[in-house]
Amino acid sequence: SQELEQSPQSLIVQEGKNLTINCTSSKTLYGLYWYKQKYGEGLIFLMMLQKGGEEKSHEKITAKLDEKKQQSSLHITASQPSHAGIYLCGADGTGNAGKSTFGDGTTLTVKP
Amino acid sequence: DAGVIQSPRHEVTEMGQEVTLRCKPISGHDYLFWYRQTMMRGLELLIYFNNNVPIDDSGMPEDRFSAKMPNASFSTLKIQPSEPRDSAVYFCASSFQGRGNGYTFGSGTRLTVV
Repeated sequence: SQELEQSPQSLIVQEGKNLTINCTSSKTLYGLYWYKQKYGEGLIFLMMLQKGGEEKSHEKITAKLDEKKQQSSLHITASQPSHAGIYLCGADGTGNAGKSTFGDGTTLTVKP
Repeated sequence: DAGVIQSPRHEVTEMGQEVTLRCKPISGHDYLFWYRQTMMRGLELLIYFNNNVPIDDSGMPEDRFSAKMPNASFSTLKIQPSEPRDSAVYFCASSFQGRGNGYTFGSGTRLTVV
């Protein structure tokens, strides 16, 4: 089965700083999703990447899928307290449409 | 659309009791997923449905867990009998055409079994 490893597990940054979260897969990624979760709430879909080299941005959050399609990075520019939460990557299982597995998440704290 | 609606938000029950969690997916979505989240194991897929039909229930921990989707707008996850190790947050999510569109998650049901 496909496994996703996220790093770091947790991150504390000063407001205004940039940061990067990584997601590495044990197998080729056919669809990589990034979600954000606040404590006690459900996951919110941020963006999806499918093609090697693809890069997408939403406000100050940018995600990229590397050429070999086994790693994705999420980059936040000029972090704000509103960016705080848990970021999870999820991936489609090959040959099994609709069944995603998830990484363990990265907990981001932004200090004002 | 009000999003994916789960009920109850919180449930506290005694060991051995039956627990039923409910989910209303987004209208028009053809996939429905039940996930369980704990600190120790993260987010685990329990079961998912496509057009109301269970496709993969390999994540269901044991026979005490069962899920149904009698129609496109309603699903239940039942635990009978419940045990303290079932304590977790249970999420329901739905999507359209499964792959490629991301999932919309409900707010979850926090289950505590004492």
